[in-house]
Amino acid sequence: NAGVTQTPKFQVLKTGQSMTLQCAQDMNHEYMSWYRQDPGMGLRLIHYSVGAGITDQGEVPNGYNVSRSTTEDFPLRLLSAAPSQTSVYFCASSYFPSGLASPLHFGNGTRLTVT
Amino acid sequence: DAKTTQPTSMDCAEGRAANLPCNHSTISGNEYVYWYRQIHSQGPQYIIHGLKNNETNEMASLIITEDRKSSTLILPHATLRDTAVYYCIVRVEIQGAQKLVFGQGTRLTINP
Repeated sequence: NAGVTQTPKFQVLKTGQSMTLQCAQDMNHEYMSWYRQDPGMGLRLIHYSVGAGITDQGEVPNGYNVSRSTTEDFPLRLLSAAPSQTSVYFCASSYFPSGLASPLHFGNGTRLTVT
Repeated sequence: DAKTTQPTSMDCAEGRAANLPCNHSTISGNEYVYWYRQIHSQGPQYIIHGLKNNETNEMASLIITEDRKSSTLILPHATLRDTAVYYCIVRVEIQGAQKLVFGQGTRLTINP
């Protein structure tokens, strides 16, 4: 049982480059989300989705795009990377709409450095 | 949104119970308390959660005070593999978004 799988594990980008962080889950979870973790800031919500074809913005959406064409996949796109986007990115999923009563399952993260 | 406060670090002897406190004095009635841990930069691992009642699972117990302003995570027989940063999180759902309100976490060290 793979759970939530994120690729790549590490990435270095130059300012202005674009890339896609991949996230896949095999638990048939309706809810998927992206967070970034920075020192002293906890996990901040970037974008989320409550089902295929439905996405919405979280707390810090600027500079990121998402799409949800299938239940399993939820890629995060950096349009034009900036040093401020250097962070660890986590994808998480859960059942919906049981929502708050359903634990979030996290992937192991993508460590992104923008130079 | 409720904010959580946790001690920065704690030590516990292997085999003993580890009791990790968390204050969430501004928690609202529909906000759940969740506990996660992170072991050395891996993804957060779910431990346990609760709303009002005490909870127990195969990993830990969660004791929530009657006024819901604080809680304690109990690892009954700590092992060296329990060394990690433990996060007490209040989780809020706002129009479908699962917003996590974090404290700084407690770095728990289990000593042999």
